[in-house]
Amino acid sequence: AQSVAQPEDQVNVAEGNPLTVKCTYSVSGNPYLFWYVQYPNRGLQFLLKYITGDNLVKGSYGFEAEFNKSQTSFHLKKPSALVSDSALYFCAVRFNTGGFKTIFGAGTRLFVKA
Amino acid sequence: EAQVTQNPRYLITVTGKKLTVTCSQNMNHEYMSWYRQDPGLGLRQIYYSMNVEVTDKGDVPEGYKVSRKEKRNFPLILESPSPNQTSLYFCASSFIFGSEGIEGYTFGSGTRLTVV
Repeated sequence: AQSVAQPEDQVNVAEGNPLTVKCTYSVSGNPYLFWYVQYPNRGLQFLLKYITGDNLVKGSYGFEAEFNKSQTSFHLKKPSALVSDSALYFCAVRFNTGGFKTIFGAGTRLFVKA
Repeated sequence: EAQVTQNPRYLITVTGKKLTVTCSQNMNHEYMSWYRQDPGLGLRQIYYSMNVEVTDKGDVPEGYKVSRKEKRNFPLILESPSPNQTSLYFCASSFIFGSEGIEGYTFGSGTRLTVV
């Protein structure tokens, strides 16, 4: 079955430290990978996407993500965390055929401590 | 402002009482979709539509209906709500392909539904 896994329910990091939120996927074909962020009482917001090309993708709010085809991973990173980065983060895969379906991971809650 | 508008934001209803959650987008997106978000399960797709009058089931369609009579609107209908449909619902829309390849979603702010 095609799936997206976020192995950590929660990630805790101190402000100013680098952060990583992990994502692995198991899909057939070439995946199109996304990260979304959800702030309290808000809808999800697009952060970044990987379609093809450079394995390091830069997105909004200083976030970046590294695509690793051999490890089927797409980890979200930021060099220096801010308290305002505290939110729920979702990794997703969108297919470019059929119904152009998107599969989401279960989400990882990031908590940045001042 | 480009946006997806969902109404209502909060809804408490009783089992069996038909309800509709509206969704409207102003970006001329051809693709629209409904998701429900439950703790530990992420977002699961209920229904999607690739254009006017074209709709199809997602992963959890049971108990839901949709229609796409106009490009901008994609209402979600619960004919006979049950407590297991208590959830946070999101409408999302996108172009399927943009100038940089396949597109991501724009999401509405969500509808928190409680069925008692």
